[in-house]
Parts: sequence; structure tokens; C-alpha cells
Amino acid sequence: EAQVTQNPRYLITVTGKKLTVTCSQNMNHEYMSWYRQDPGLGLRQIYYSMNVEVTDKGDVPEGYKVSRKEKRNFPLILESPSPNQTSLYFCASSLYDRQETQYFGPGTRLLVL
Amino acid sequence: DAKTTQPPSMDCAEGRAANLPCNHSTISGNEYVYWYRQIHSQGPQYIIHGLKNNETNEMASLIITEDRKSSTLILPHATLRDTAVYYCIVRSAHSGGGADGLTFGKGTHLIIQP
Repeated sequence: EAQVTQNPRYLITVTGKKLTVTCSQNMNHEYMSWYRQDPGLGLRQIYYSMNVEVTDKGDVPEGYKVSRKEKRNFPLILESPSPNQTSLYFCASSLYDRQETQYFGPGTRLLVL
Repeated sequence: DAKTTQPPSMDCAEGRAANLPCNHSTISGNEYVYWYRQIHSQGPQYIIHGLKNNETNEMASLIITEDRKSSTLILPHATLRDTAVYYCIVRSAHSGGGADGLTFGKGTHLIIQP
């Protein structure tokens, strides 16, 4: 089944403890992206990647890192999480780039204490 | 990408057609109209998109006015599982550089009543 998977789905952590949220897609998509969703603010893009080893900042990249060593995986790294990064995170992928339909993962709900 | 305007909420009876309007009066010639929906806290789901002509797929129909300044998403036989927030997005095929993400506005909260 074609899908985007994220792990973990739920995470509670404390300020400053590094964490990684994994994202994987099995559709051989070149374009992958991370969003966060907060009440009243809609979805905001954090980082995106046009292909392996090609990443770029979205609207709200501060406090996040990403890497794209393989086509299928696009992990989101929070080196030193803070409470303002408490949010619902979505990974998305599409075949090539912005003109293509984006497929979203199920989401990761993160709480930083 | 052009701005869109949608009603904040709508009700529809189960089994009836749900017609969701979207205004995009500043749309430019190379911009497509996309519809996504998000069922409570799940990942957004693509529904349909179009440029000029009306489009239909297994989920919905998209009617775009001749001047392209507005469109309507039609769910022909709404079910309770169609209760969700529906987002109308106008998006060009090519990035102007910089951040590249889909811009979701507030959308329309469609509630299907039994």
C-alpha cells in the first residue's frame, strides 16, 4: 500500500532532550516536506527536500534540522526541544515538486515539557 | 499563490450532495485549484484539483467558473465519514523561490448530519 509513515505517533519529552521523528515513504517520491500544525495558525512548512542531499528551509525552520540521505527517508531532528515546539507534525511527499499532489503521513503529536 | 476565501462551516444531511464554495478572485492564469481535507487531527488528504475545466474523480467533482474566480467542490452523496475541514488552495506549478509549502487557510468545517 502506498503510504507515508511517521514514528513515533505520540511523544512526550523534556526541554533540551534531543529527539528525532522519522518519516518514510514507499512511493519513490522525490519531494518530501515537514509541516507543523498549531491551532489558529494552520499548517506551516518547516523544511522541504527536492531530492537526496537537497534540502531547504520552509517558513518556520528555527530549532529544527533535517537530512535526506536516502530517497525514502526524511527525518526531522530537534536538537534541543523547547515548549514552543509542542505541536502536531506532518510529513508529506510528492512525486516531483510543488505541482504534484502531496501525500501526508498520519501525524506526530509532540509535547515538550 | 493566490488567496482563497471559504465559509467557516457548513452542514449537510447524510446522503445529500455537499457543495463547498471557494472564492479565489485573484487567481492567475497558471494557478491550479486544489482541494484537500483533514479529518480531525489526521494528515490532510488530497481530493481533487483543476485548472480550467471541471474535473471528476471517485471522491468528488470540481466545478470552476468560466472566469476562474471561484469554484465549488461537490461531494455527491455525503456520508458521516465526510465530516472534516475542507481546504481550497490555489497554487502555481512553479515556485517563486523560498518556502515552498502548501498554504492551508482556515478551510470549511463540513458537518454531515445523520
